[in-house]
Amino acid sequence: DTEVTQTPKHLVMGMTNKKSLKCEQHMGHRAMYWYKQKAKKPPELMFVYSYEKLSINESVPSRFSPECPNSSLLNLHLHALQPEDSALYLCASGRGRDQPQHFGDGTRLSIL
Amino acid sequence: AQSVTQLGSHVSVSEGALVLLRCNYSSSVPPYLFWYVQYPNQGLQLLLKYTSAATLVKGINGFEAEFKKSETSFHLTKPSAHMSDAAEYFCAVSDEAGGFKTIFGAGTRLFVKA
Repeated sequence: DTEVTQTPKHLVMGMTNKKSLKCEQHMGHRAMYWYKQKAKKPPELMFVYSYEKLSINESVPSRFSPECPNSSLLNLHLHALQPEDSALYLCASGRGRDQPQHFGDGTRLSIL
Repeated sequence: AQSVTQLGSHVSVSEGALVLLRCNYSSSVPPYLFWYVQYPNQGLQLLLKYTSAATLVKGINGFEAEFKKSETSFHLTKPSAHMSDAAEYFCAVSDEAGGFKTIFGAGTRLFVKA
């Protein structure tokens, strides 16, 4: 069973659309992450929230906007995406650097 | 800069054969090391972790890894491959600067032949 839940599993959107990806965990983890993963590549870190505050932003374009409403939820708001943004978007959570991250199964995003 | 190197983007073994996936790391502090597996259309799943206790670490699904400081290696092994082991494997190290960042290797695709 996946302890980190992501919705939707698949998303197709046009370049002018606005959509949101959602992530939820109930393990009490203090850190939550967004990753982008292209085919046959490792996950690429986008954002990290620790204690509900944005602690890492890896120079991600502003068309991606993260939000952490509470300690269990993480959103990624999407607007005016480009075709190269098509990828698997993974959410993860963790307790700290000596502990592993727990990943959701991702949202497969396709930009038309 | 801190890094993780996985030798071999693809490894192919026969069912029942030994699996060996190689990982070398660089870190100026004692590292926290992890192996993850990713099956198609799924997220990453932890196989095992090294956090400075025993140097031989046992994980799920019969996998184990040995931490060798002198060789800066953390290779993953399994005595007998099963068809269900076919997947992508990632070695990772926690960022020595602290915080919550993890640095992933490029990954190794394991193929298992019948």
